[in-house]
Amino acid sequence: SQQGEEDPQALSIQEGENATMNCSYKTSINNLQWYRQNSGRGLVHLILIRSNEREKHSGRLRVTLDTSKKSSSLLITASRAADTASYFCATAPFSNDYKLSFGAGTTVTVRA
Amino acid sequence: DGGITQSPKYLFRKEGQNVTLSCEQNLNHDAMYWYRQDPGQGLRLIYYSQIVNDFQKGDIAEGYSVSREKKESFPLTVTSAQKNPTAFYLCASTLDRFGGYTFGSGTRLTVV
Repeated sequence: SQQGEEDPQALSIQEGENATMNCSYKTSINNLQWYRQNSGRGLVHLILIRSNEREKHSGRLRVTLDTSKKSSSLLITASRAADTASYFCATAPFSNDYKLSFGAGTTVTVRA
Repeated sequence: DGGITQSPKYLFRKEGQNVTLSCEQNLNHDAMYWYRQDPGQGLRLIYYSQIVNDFQKGDIAEGYSVSREKKESFPLTVTSAQKNPTAFYLCASTLDRFGGYTFGSGTRLTVV
């Protein structure tokens, strides 16, 4: 079952601008992860944030997690044409049965 | 280089035919997963395996079967019982129980 829901569904920005997308989820989680998918390709793991963390950075990526609101955001700063892709959040439950639930994704288009 | 290899990249299935999608990893990961992705949608879990000789159904297992005889391999068979098999199929694996996934590049299956 899909637990995460991304918002917006699609985003178009100019090169150099920042892109922000949000993810909401329903049940308690162990961690939340963000992935990127270029058209017709597999997903690439970007960043993982644990439930006891509030913010994490990786290069031009910044992820926040608010467990009280059951939401996360992914910020891409100084976007480039190569950032054009779909971005998915995935949630990992507290369970011995480890399996991620993915949202429907946000499609980001960076215009040159 | 370590990674996950999915083959074939494109597969065409006739009505009533069973087809098998290959997924091989040389990452020494214990857990492996099969997801289905339909256009504009997120990933839905078909089957997963956390250890050799053991696997569990995901959210949409009907019409699919798997085996896990070797740690490196997790093939997926799309049977004739799957009425709408046209989709993009992604295989993934993970080492850590609460870690990120590594994905293959996918197999696009089309019914002809």
